[in-house]
Amino acid sequence: GAGVSQSPSNKVTEKGKDVELRCDPISGHTALYWYRQSLGQGLEFLIYFQGNSAPDKSGLPSDRFSAERTGGSVSTLTIQRTQQEDSAVYLCASSLTRQETQYFGPGTRLLVL
Amino acid sequence: AQSVSQHNHHVILSEAASLELGCNYSYGGTVNLFWYVQYPGQHLQLLLKYFSGDPLVKGIKGFEAEFIKSKFSFNLRKPSVQWSDTAEYFCAVKDSGGYQKVTFGIGTKLQVIP
Repeated sequence: GAGVSQSPSNKVTEKGKDVELRCDPISGHTALYWYRQSLGQGLEFLIYFQGNSAPDKSGLPSDRFSAERTGGSVSTLTIQRTQQEDSAVYLCASSLTRQETQYFGPGTRLLVL
Repeated sequence: AQSVSQHNHHVILSEAASLELGCNYSYGGTVNLFWYVQYPGQHLQLLLKYFSGDPLVKGIKGFEAEFIKSKFSFNLRKPSVQWSDTAEYFCAVKDSGGYQKVTFGIGTKLQVIP
């Protein structure tokens, strides 16, 4: 079946602009995660959804970052007033339940000029 | 809070050499452990996982890992690497309870020379 998909695959934006990153999880997966992979860094947890609710937002680096999930499926990560340090690969993962293995999407490579 | 340490950030091996990548974690509770691999230009893929049972776990492509609870380690091994194993390898840990946040190590880049 189809895996996790993310769009766009690449995004170049100017400092100060807002961006929206989209994640389509594997059908039926109730848990969804956002991570960030910066150059030379490991994967940094951002936020976790169980259904449409986000019990853990502890990883969001600032209030410029927000995320939502609708219909227990698609999720959108929004970064407002982007900064150059936001440049990274943003990865989405989903799992059948919160106890199951997470499967990753291909990521969105964000470059803020 | 849980954390993961990967000791080797960049490893270069010749084909047919044996591989061992170190991974140590810190967490006081029961954990699930993973190794993910990212081949050049591709996205993260699960290589193998440990949830419970036999601490020696076999994954795809001849990889295996051993969970040693007393050492808080989950080292990845392969007896004979191939050029196609060139990739970045990430060790990860999650609390087996709770909300399942996964903590990743910084990754190890493996380069296999033909």
